[in-house]
Amino acid sequence: KAGVTQTPRYLIKTRGQQVTLSCSPISGHRSVSWYQQTPGQGLQFLFEYFSETQRNKGNFPGRFSGRQFSNSRSEMNVSTLELGDSALYLCASSGTGGNYGYTFGSGTRLTVV
Amino acid sequence: DQQVKQNSPSLSVQEGRISILNCDYTNSMFDYFLWYKKYPAEGPTFLISISSIKDKNEDGRFTVFLNKSAKHLSLHIVPSQPGDSAVYFCAAKGGRAGANSKLTFGKGITLSVRP
Repeated sequence: KAGVTQTPRYLIKTRGQQVTLSCSPISGHRSVSWYQQTPGQGLQFLFEYFSETQRNKGNFPGRFSGRQFSNSRSEMNVSTLELGDSALYLCASSGTGGNYGYTFGSGTRLTVV
Repeated sequence: DQQVKQNSPSLSVQEGRISILNCDYTNSMFDYFLWYKKYPAEGPTFLISISSIKDKNEDGRFTVFLNKSAKHLSLHIVPSQPGDSAVYFCAAKGGRAGANSKLTFGKGITLSVRP
């Protein structure tokens, strides 16, 4: 079955702009989580959605927001971009079975200039 | 507050030898632990996991050990191969709902396996 698809793969934006990233989970998976990866900081949790509801939220400013649609696809939005927002943004989907097999997409590399 | 800690940023081992990657956690509500492997420009790939009711789980060359009293887990790779060179992340979660249910990651450790 198809994996987790993230679009676009690469993005260059200017400070002050906003950006929207997209994630299509594995078919049948209802949970989608978003992470930010920067050098030396590992994977920082942004938020998690389940059945169109935000289930968990990390410690990021309100400029970072997300949503999930009825088909489980998710988007995250970052407004008023800052240089420090440059990172690899990863999306993971998981099912409802006993094995928490989170599957990650390849990520979107965002560069803010 | 770093709830999952991978204190060694890097590890270098000889091909054929054992690689031991360590991870500590502070949140006693964590009851499920996972290891992921990541290559540059790719998403993390699930390797192996362990539930808190076990102290060992083995899958081929990969074995994860869990010491609940010490809040410590380790990933053993035997024998190590050059293709194992990557960044390894330890992750933990607790329960199916609430703040602890999200997957919390350590900062990762870069493993280099020398031919």
